[in-house]
Amino acid sequence: AQKVTQAQTEISVVEKEDVTLDCVYETRDTTYYLFWYKQPPSGELVFLIRRNSFDEQNEISGRYSWNFQKSTSSFNFTITASQVVDSAVYFCALSEADDKIIFGKGTRLHILP
Amino acid sequence: DVKVTQSSRYLVKRTGEKVFLECVQDMDHENMFWYRQDPGLGLRLIYFSYDVKMKEKGDIPEGYSVSREKKERFSLILESASTNQTSMYLCASSTGTVSNQPQHFGDGTRLSIL
Repeated sequence: AQKVTQAQTEISVVEKEDVTLDCVYETRDTTYYLFWYKQPPSGELVFLIRRNSFDEQNEISGRYSWNFQKSTSSFNFTITASQVVDSAVYFCALSEADDKIIFGKGTRLHILP
Repeated sequence: DVKVTQSSRYLVKRTGEKVFLECVQDMDHENMFWYRQDPGLGLRLIYFSYDVKMKEKGDIPEGYSVSREKKERFSLILESASTNQTSMYLCASSTGTVSNQPQHFGDGTRLSIL
């Protein structure tokens, strides 16, 4: 069975600090997809990134970066020089081929001014 | 731009009432989903649909039903609302294969059952 673990329930950092959100997944499939979503206080989940299991390249998008490591079954998300607007709940998610997406329980991130 | 619209942001109903939550998407997406979000439990899938008039049970379908008569609209129905169905309900849509495409979410409906 597929499973997603976000061990950090809640994190607080001071603005401009870097912060990493951990995501560990379990799957028996060789083909699978990983996602990150952001849920700001307004409530709407916003898609951030998708990665398939055959693409282990790390990705950078502005202050956001993702580190995908199949050896440790992790897909961690780092925010560099955090800003107050980054405060949100972040969800990691996994899907296997021909199956629905399973979400982790989320990490609530507080960026303190 | 992608748009998923849920009919209400906040809704208060009484135990035993039949409750309808409506979701409309304007992206011509094949797939639509209903989740509930509870503190400490994350998002849990209630039902999804990959085509008009098609529906599939998710992880927690008990106490719920759905209707997809038109491609753009996916309704969640609480046949006889109970207090344990007080929650945030999120609708989403996606195109292509259910598993590998990102989902686009509505703003959510915060439902309280008294």
